[in-house]
This record gives sequence, structure tokens and C-alpha cells, in this order.
Amino acid sequence: ILNVEQSPQSLHVQEGDSTNFTCSFPSSNFYALHWYRWETAKSPEALFVMTLNGDEKKKGRISATLNTKEGYSYLYIKGSQPEDSATYLCARVSTGGFKTIFGAGTRLFVKA
Amino acid sequence: DVKVTQSSRYLVKRTGEKVFLECVQDMDHENMFWYRQDPGLGLRLIYFSYDVKMKEKGDIPEGYSVSREKKERFSLILESASTNQTSMYLCASSSQRDRGKNTIYFGEGSWLTVV
Repeated sequence: ILNVEQSPQSLHVQEGDSTNFTCSFPSSNFYALHWYRWETAKSPEALFVMTLNGDEKKKGRISATLNTKEGYSYLYIKGSQPEDSATYLCARVSTGGFKTIFGAGTRLFVKA
Repeated sequence: DVKVTQSSRYLVKRTGEKVFLECVQDMDHENMFWYRQDPGLGLRLIYFSYDVKMKEKGDIPEGYSVSREKKERFSLILESASTNQTSMYLCASSSQRDRGKNTIYFGEGSWLTVV
């Protein structure tokens, strides 16, 4: 199993802080990278799907970048709010589109 | 609103019992998945299915089997539950069109405790 690593494992920030997390993955046979947001007691929800090196996606205060050559993606949250508290998962898809490996997630706590 | 529904949210079963976890999706998706989530580990794939009556082993299939008799329904079966199968189980589905780039839609999870 190819490892997808996420760091940090957890993060505590104050409301209004900007923050970022890292997803590292093997760069060979890369096909796509997904980011999901998982709130407690709810289903994981898709944030972004990224495929191209240098891709940058944005949804409101959340954005993500992708570097397929060196095998990493960053997720940024600008001006964190308590409702951003969740686990953020990344998932790497291998060439062919079938094999998807999830990271263990970054657990974000935003204090009001 | 797209929906993946897991019928049982919380279950407590005894060691050796046969356990069925049911999942239904209403999006006409070809692909369905069963994952397991344990603290400190990523979502680990148990089994997946590309079509009715088709199934493929994931990364941790031991101790599990699956059934897909209808397109919308994918069942996970623990033939003889053991305490190391205490976990949270997530069902998911996705479209086969543009595979790998499609969003995976998840259920809310089934928390299973085996005593």
C-alpha cells in the first residue's frame, strides 16, 4: 500500500487565524488528489478534486494547491471559523483511476 | 440531494455473530465501496464493486464478505464477528464516468462494537 501522509495530525487555532495542512503522497503513477471535509457525526464531503501539477482550487475561504512532481498538496483556510472545525482528509488516486488511498486526516479545532 | 444511507448507525454484537451492514445509494452510481475507519489510520478499503454481482477485494478483506444483488444496494457481511472488527464502517459510492476524478459520496457511518 502506498502511503499518503497528512500533517499535522491535529491542530488547534483561534477564530480568525489562517492555517494550512499538508498531504504528501508518492508521485509515481499519480492520477488525481481529492480533499474531503468530515464533520463529527456527518458524512465526509468533497472539497476539491485536483489532477494537474500546479493546480490551485478555491472554495470560499478554503483553497488548495497541488505539486505532483514532488508529491504534495496544501490545504489553506483563511480566517478560520468555529464551523471549520472538522477532520480534513486527502486521498490519492493512482493511474487507471481505481486505486484510492486515504490519509489519516488532520483534525482541526477552531476556538471562538 | 444525493444520498448514501447506512441503515444501522450503532450496533453492538457478540463475538461469533453474523453481522450485516446495509448501504443504499440513490444516485444510480456504478461503484460502491466499504471502508473502515480506525483512530490514527486512514480510511481503509475493505471491498468494492463496479457493477451488480461484481466484487473486488480491497486492502483489508479478511473476515468480511459483500453482496451486491441490486445496483443501489451494497451489503457488508461479517461472517463471524470478532473484537478486532470493532470499528466505524463507511459506505460510499461514485460514478464510473471519468473514474478517479469523480467525487466519492459517503454515508454517515456505522459504529460497530463487538463484545
